[in-house]
Amino acid sequence: EVQVLESGGGLVQPGGSLRLSCAASGFTFSTYAMSWVRQAPGKGLEWVSDITYSGGGTYYADSVKGRFTISRDNSKSTLYLHMNSLRAEDTAVYYCARRSSVAPRAFDYWGQGTLVTVSS
Amino acid sequence: DIQLTQSPSFLSASVGDRVTITCRASQGITSNLAWYQQKPGKAPKLLIYAASTLQSGVPSRFSGSGSGTEFTLTINSLQPEDFTTYYCQQLNTYPITFGQGTRLEIK
Repeated sequence: EVQVLESGGGLVQPGGSLRLSCAASGFTFSTYAMSWVRQAPGKGLEWVSDITYSGGGTYYADSVKGRFTISRDNSKSTLYLHMNSLRAEDTAVYYCARRSSVAPRAFDYWGQGTLVTVSS
Repeated sequence: DIQLTQSPSFLSASVGDRVTITCRASQGITSNLAWYQQKPGKAPKLLIYAASTLQSGVPSRFSGSGSGTEFTLTINSLQPEDFTTYYCQQLNTYPITFGQGTRLEIK
């Protein structure tokens, strides 16, 4: 069974840092691109970042570019999101999602999400 | 960036009804569009990809159509569990974007 499980969320002060993790199981992690998507309380979905299967390519939303870094450890089947210079507007539930192997590579499996709250 | 506009934003319907949600893209995205269903407090669930292909395990009352800039999600014979929020998503160009969502409520 395909599973992705996020962890690492919590309360952080503005300007602080946090690292989210996403542990994958039930599929060959190293052959799939992965994504982070967030959802602010009561709001819609916002794509945050993508990483290719090898980690050689990364993509970011303008809202997080230069502050967030996506990475992966294929030996551990784990995806990461390193978040620096956090702002109140980064408060959201963060989901990791697998990108399908079939075009156009929609997000076919999602984790349950981890809540990040940026507040003093 | 490619903007996706869903209409309507809110929709009231009854069990057994047929409803259609529209998603318009600000520029052509061929068939690189997906639809998701999200229930409160839960992660989104993939319903449709490539504009019209039903994801495995999704009931056949859900269908998608369209290409270019205009797309539709149709739900036939609404069931009680279908009353929730739906999002379209374009995967044609980075940044990947989502529509603002359509909330389907029981009339």
